[in-house]
Amino acid sequence: GQQVMQIPQYQHVQEGEDFTTYCNSSTTLSNIQWYKQRPGGHPVFLIQLVKSGEVKKQKRLTFQFGEAKKNSSLHITATQTTDVGTYFCAGPTGYALNFGKGTSLLVTP
Amino acid sequence: NAGVTQTPKFQVLKTGQSMTLQCAQDMNHNSMYWYRQDPGMGLRLIYYSASEGTTDKGEVPNGYNVSRLNKREFSLRLESAAPSQTSVYFCASSEGIQPQHFGDGTRLSIL
Repeated sequence: GQQVMQIPQYQHVQEGEDFTTYCNSSTTLSNIQWYKQRPGGHPVFLIQLVKSGEVKKQKRLTFQFGEAKKNSSLHITATQTTDVGTYFCAGPTGYALNFGKGTSLLVTP
Repeated sequence: NAGVTQTPKFQVLKTGQSMTLQCAQDMNHNSMYWYRQDPGMGLRLIYYSASEGTTDKGEVPNGYNVSRLNKREFSLRLESAAPSQTSVYFCASSEGIQPQHFGDGTRLSIL
């Protein structure tokens, strides 16, 4: 079945440094979704990418969908302490979503 | 504007006890989901309901049952709780494969 893998599992940065998490699927995806979960919270939807090669920005966050629609990345420029949390990518499989294991970001002031 | 509401928020059970986790959504979504989240394991799908009247197994269904009571409500039942079921449980809803909206979670400990 479809597998969605994310790397790295953990990332610890100093405030102001950049951060990138990568997501790879074993199969071609119709779309990919990104979620953020703050410590002790629940996953919150960030963005959905649909088109091959698509790039979307949300302030300091840049999301990319690969040309083959099998990989994606999330890049945060100049991290802030508010960026702390776990970032998940997810790809649809039938009526459900297959989530990666997530990348936990820790930002030190 | 409640979104997805889960009850209870916390629960401690003894091994062998049963309980039902409740979930309700007010967004008129057709699809509802139950996940469990364990450290380092991400979100694993237990069961889902693509529409009212249907349920399907996810990745880790053993030891659980679900009921789609109506369009709004989707419950998860543990018939005989085991320590391996200690986890955080999230309910979510969506319109098909559109982005999912999650509840606040139920933190369940089984002793």
